[in-house]
Amino acid sequence: SQTIHQWPATLVQPVGSPLSLECTVEGTSNPNLYWYRQAAGRGLQLLFYSVGIGQISSEVPQNLSASRPQDRQFILSSKKLLLSDSGFYLCAWGQGVGYTFGSGTRLTVV
Amino acid sequence: RKEVEQDPGPFNVPEGATVAFNCTYSNSASQSFFWYRQDCRKEPKLLMSVYSSGNEDGRFTAQLNRASQYISLLIRDSKLSDSATYLCVVNLVTRGSYIPTFGRGTSLIVHP
Repeated sequence: SQTIHQWPATLVQPVGSPLSLECTVEGTSNPNLYWYRQAAGRGLQLLFYSVGIGQISSEVPQNLSASRPQDRQFILSSKKLLLSDSGFYLCAWGQGVGYTFGSGTRLTVV
Repeated sequence: RKEVEQDPGPFNVPEGATVAFNCTYSNSASQSFFWYRQDCRKEPKLLMSVYSSGNEDGRFTAQLNRASQYISLLIRDSKLSDSATYLCVVNLVTRGSYIPTFGRGTSLIVHP
């Protein structure tokens, strides 16, 4: 069965520090992968998606970047965090018949 | 106009009640549709897909109206455990890939 792992679960980082969140998928090949952010009391905002190794599409201009170095690995990064980067970050995989989410990373930038 | 719109609620209903949520979408080329459930501070989880002919899963019924561009979710005999936020998801094919767009969610509170 397919599983998706995301870590860490919570993170507190100072403004200006770097960020690296990792997501890995097991039990499937060549998945479409997605990064979402959910700010407090808000909906899910699609940040990046990837249809294959090295292929990244950005949905919104921002302070973040994504990479897919391996088929089942998706990484979200920032060189310098802003206060506005705080939120609940969710990785998901799917093929159009439904999407499965990781358990998320709750990031607080202080 | 937002791509996917939902009434944020909250819908506050007693146990045993029937409650319905609607979700409208703006892009007529949308391909597939889903309802997700999100508990507080947790990740969303797939509740059910929505098919053109309508579909039912126990107490839950989902329907799609392509002409009016909305989907609905009906919950019968509400349970306390149904309390959650229900997210509408619309899939659009963009550059050959499925791009899921989420509504902001409708909050349901079921009370004794």
